[in-house]
Amino acid sequence: DSGVTQTPKHLITATGQRVTLRCSPRSGDLSVYWYQQSLDQGLQFLIQYYNGEERAKGNILERFSAQQFPDLHSELNLSSLELGDSALYFCASSVGLNSGGYNEQFFGPGTRLTVL
Amino acid sequence: DQQVKQNSPSLSVQEGRISILNCDYTNSMFDYFLWYKKYPAEGPTFLISISSIKDKNEDGRFTVFLNKSAKHLSLHIVPSQPGDSAVYFCAASPAWEAGSYQLTFGKGTKLSVIP
Repeated sequence: DSGVTQTPKHLITATGQRVTLRCSPRSGDLSVYWYQQSLDQGLQFLIQYYNGEERAKGNILERFSAQQFPDLHSELNLSSLELGDSALYFCASSVGLNSGGYNEQFFGPGTRLTVL
Repeated sequence: DQQVKQNSPSLSVQEGRISILNCDYTNSMFDYFLWYKKYPAEGPTFLISISSIKDKNEDGRFTVFLNKSAKHLSLHIVPSQPGDSAVYFCAASPAWEAGSYQLTFGKGTKLSVIP
């Protein structure tokens, strides 16, 4: 158990709909990262928040957005869903400080999104 | 354009022998390299990392080697055990000066350790 929780575990919805994925980081971790794993693209970085502020953006579509709340949990919002958005969405957290070394990221179990 | 490549989608090894998983990268800005292990229906689990200033890091049965000039790293598992059967992802991260440790992943190598 990594200490990172994600809900829901599975989500089935229709094209055009909007969904919200939730992530609670490990206790004490300030950084939250979102990744998408699709069959043909592997794991791809979407976006990072550090202590409530957006820190980095990767291959995130404009239809997707995220935020990190004062209690440090994060939500990833996916709107106008398309069939191609079906994927596993992982959240990872890390201490997020520049302590002179790398901060390992700990991954949650993921949310499997199926768009029909 | 894939910045981190794992050219072998799968690898089979006998129990007790060495498993060698390879990874190549193209981006010279990468400063940290990591290996993650993933079982079905679970998130990736961190295994071992190496900084670009080192060429080897060891942790128990796992050793990662980095060849910066060749932009190549490898993970050695000795001895291999059936419980090591999983998908292994190579990942790379920029230095913190970029403000983020976002990871760029390879597509994974599925390791099967045969009893």
